[in-house]
Amino acid sequence: GDSVTQMEGPVTLSEEAFLTINCTYTATGYPSLFWYVQYPGEGLQLLLKATKADDKGSNKGFEATYRKETTSFHLEKGSVQVSDSAVYFCALNGNAGNMLTFGGGTRLMVKP
Amino acid sequence: DTEVTQTPKHLVMGMTNKKSLKCEQHMGHRAMYWYKQKAKKPPELMFVYSYEKLSINESVPSRFSPECPNSSLLNLHLHALQPEDSALYLCASSQAGNTIYFGEGSWLTVV
Repeated sequence: GDSVTQMEGPVTLSEEAFLTINCTYTATGYPSLFWYVQYPGEGLQLLLKATKADDKGSNKGFEATYRKETTSFHLEKGSVQVSDSAVYFCALNGNAGNMLTFGGGTRLMVKP
Repeated sequence: DTEVTQTPKHLVMGMTNKKSLKCEQHMGHRAMYWYKQKAKKPPELMFVYSYEKLSINESVPSRFSPECPNSSLLNLHLHALQPEDSALYLCASSQAGNTIYFGEGSWLTVV
């Protein structure tokens, strides 16, 4: 079945540091890939998505590129802020189209 | 505007109580979902409704009873819950096969 593996946290960075959170997946066919963010005490917000190979999703300074050859969708941001502190979930929506498979989540803590 | 609205935001209930969680979306989405999230874990799918019909039940105990009164509303009826059912309950919606959007969640505590 489908699966998503993302790096375990917590990831602790200083403000303005470069961020990478690794995400790899296993799926048949051509899934859509997502990053969701969950701020403390809140629900999940869609951060960005990509629906086909080589697509780049971007939002709020975050980027991720759908790499089919390496089955990866790594999240990057050039300069993190304290307000980016949250849990980040990588997810895929497979061929069925109505079910998300989540990675375990990565907690990011950004210190001033 | 991608918005899924859930009420109440917080709920404390006893093990003998009957309560309901409510969810509403006005995006015209035809699929609606209930997820359960425990602390430091990803959300786990409970139910999927597609065109107002239950299409997926992930072997959820019968003390959780979903209901989809119309295409915009989704309820989760709770009865005889256990303390281990305390969690964040997330509603979500999507247009078939597309991006799934989540609400802010309902924090449930069973005492």
